[in-house]
Amino acid sequence: SAVISQKPSRDICQRGTSLTIQCQVDSQVTMMFWYRQQPGQSLTLIATANQGSEATYESGFVIDKFPISRPNLTFSTLTVSNMSPEDSSIYLCSVGVAGQGTQYFGPGTRLTVL
Amino acid sequence: GESVGLHLPTLSVQEGDNSIINCAYSNSASDYFIWYKQESGKGPQFIIDIRSNMDKRQGQRVTVLLNKTVKHLSLQIAATQPGDSAVYFCAESRNEKLTFGTGTRLTIIP
Repeated sequence: SAVISQKPSRDICQRGTSLTIQCQVDSQVTMMFWYRQQPGQSLTLIATANQGSEATYESGFVIDKFPISRPNLTFSTLTVSNMSPEDSSIYLCSVGVAGQGTQYFGPGTRLTVL
Repeated sequence: GESVGLHLPTLSVQEGDNSIINCAYSNSASDYFIWYKQESGKGPQFIIDIRSNMDKRQGQRVTVLLNKTVKHLSLQIAATQPGDSAVYFCAESRNEKLTFGTGTRLTIIP
């Protein structure tokens, strides 16, 4: 499986600001995803990061709040915009191989919004 | 709507005993399932997977069972060790996307 890193690993942010989270993979992958995991809960898919085109967002998530970039096959960013305390969560990126279904996850970014 | 859920939110098991974690899914069209282990402060770690054309798959100390008739998935961990303490998630994969269950916290009692 690929080695996936995320930056930052954690951050504490003020209400109304934005934070960009980076996801780096050590090999080229076709599919990258972003998830949110609220405290003590399961993972919810935010969007699929498509290389060379706009991300595909799941119901309840919008591009203005969670803009995503995917400039190449090894890197993606997720921005959490105009943050509120309700955005306090762990944000995880994952990678997958088309046609296999399996996904491998990064270590996550723990975000606290004050 | 579609959902993937777990019967037990917490499970405590004596060290050395076997553990069984259960999961129910609602979408009969699902054709691929994965179990993940998530330790505190880490991302989910792939444990084992199974496709819908199988009913059992074994790994090292782990076995996944799939019962499509009742839409039930289970993870068996043999001879549990302290390092098995974690939250375990089942996930349904469809159209390259994952839908996660609610998770079961497994605690190993020394």
